[in-house]
Amino acid sequence: EVQLVESGGGLVQPGGSLRLSCAASGFTFSSYEMSWVRQAPGKGLEWVSYISNSGSAIFYADSVKGRFTISRDNAKESLYLHMSRLRAEDTAVYYCARVDSSSWYMQPDSWGQGSLVTVSS
Amino acid sequence: DIQLTQSPSFLSASVGDRVTITCRASQGISNYLAWYQQNPGKAPKLLIYAASSLQTGVPSRFSGSASGTEFTLTISSLQPEDFATYYCLQLNSFPWTFGQGTKVEIK
Repeated sequence: EVQLVESGGGLVQPGGSLRLSCAASGFTFSSYEMSWVRQAPGKGLEWVSYISNSGSAIFYADSVKGRFTISRDNAKESLYLHMSRLRAEDTAVYYCARVDSSSWYMQPDSWGQGSLVTVSS
Repeated sequence: DIQLTQSPSFLSASVGDRVTITCRASQGISNYLAWYQQNPGKAPKLLIYAASSLQTGVPSRFSGSASGTEFTLTISSLQPEDFATYYCLQLNSFPWTFGQGTKVEIK
């Protein structure tokens, strides 16, 4: 069974930093691309970042570019999101998601339970 | 960036109703579109990928179709567990973008 477990969320002051982790199990982590998606309280889903299975290809939403860094450790089967210069509008539940590209198409197909990040003074 | 316009934002329906949700892309995205269902406090669940392919384990009452830049999610006979919020997601190019969501509530 595919499992994705996020951790590292919490309360942080504006301008601060935080690192989210996502522990993967139940599949061959090194074979899959991964992504982060967030959801502000009462709002819709927003894609944040993507990383290829080797880490060689990385993309970010404009809203986080230059402030967030996605990375992965295939040996530890873990995905990370380092967030810096945090703003109030970064307050959200952050989901890690496995990206399935086994067919011609790719899409997030399994999601973690989410980790809440609150940016407030 | 590619924009997705999802409609309606909200719909009220009864068990057994046929429900249609539409997502219109601001430019061509081939069939690089997925549909998700989300219940309150839960993670999204993949329903449809490649515009019309049913994800394994998803009931056959869910279907997706595409015509040009317009994509449709149809629930043929709404069940009690289908009352949720639905999102489309374009994966044609980065940045990936979601539609605004459609909340399906009980009439």
